[in-house]
Amino acid sequence: QVQLVQSGAEVKKPGDSVRVSCKTSGYNFASYGIAWVRQAPGQGLEWMGWISVYNGNTNYAQKLQGRVTMTRDSSTSTVYMELRSLRSDDTAMYYCARDGFSSGWYAYWGQGTLVAVSS
Amino acid sequence: DIQLTQSPSTLSASVGDRVTITCRASQSVSAWLAWYQQKPGKAPQLLIYKASSLESGVPSRFSGSGSGTEFTLTISSLQPDDFATYYCQQYSGYLYTFGQGTRLEIK
Repeated sequence: QVQLVQSGAEVKKPGDSVRVSCKTSGYNFASYGIAWVRQAPGQGLEWMGWISVYNGNTNYAQKLQGRVTMTRDSSTSTVYMELRSLRSDDTAMYYCARDGFSSGWYAYWGQGTLVAVSS
Repeated sequence: DIQLTQSPSTLSASVGDRVTITCRASQSVSAWLAWYQQKPGKAPQLLIYKASSLESGVPSRFSGSGSGTEFTLTISSLQPDDFATYYCQQYSGYLYTFGQGTRLEIK
């Protein structure tokens, strides 16, 4: 069965960087892209960006351009999201999600990784 | 970016009611729209994709319609398990966005 398992919770200080991993299994890794979606406490869902696992191409939300990088490691079927220059408003639950075949809906999600940014 | 506006933001209803949630896009997204249900502390669950296609395993009381800039999610007969927050998401072009969410509460 398709599984996306994310790394554990992180506590960071303002200005730090964080890297969250999303290890996938149960399907052909190269056939589907992975998106990252975050949710601040009590708030809605925010699409952060997407990576083509096939060729490494990325699309990032404009508000995060320059601070976010998504990469993949095909040898371990793992996708990574790095966010730099963290601020308090980056405190959120971060989810990875697998897209549909050549389509941008998300039927499979990771369990979420809480990133807390506090001085 | 394409903006999505959901209405209402909060909806109070009773078990057995028929409810409709609307999602309006700031420009046409054709039929590239999905709907999700989210419960507290859980990841979102896909309900509908391509505006009106029901995801496998989702009860048939959920349905979606629309195209272009106006879309609706309808629950034909509310069940206790349906009280949750619902989000629309557009996936037109290369930059995707979610609506702000509609919280469905028990009246």
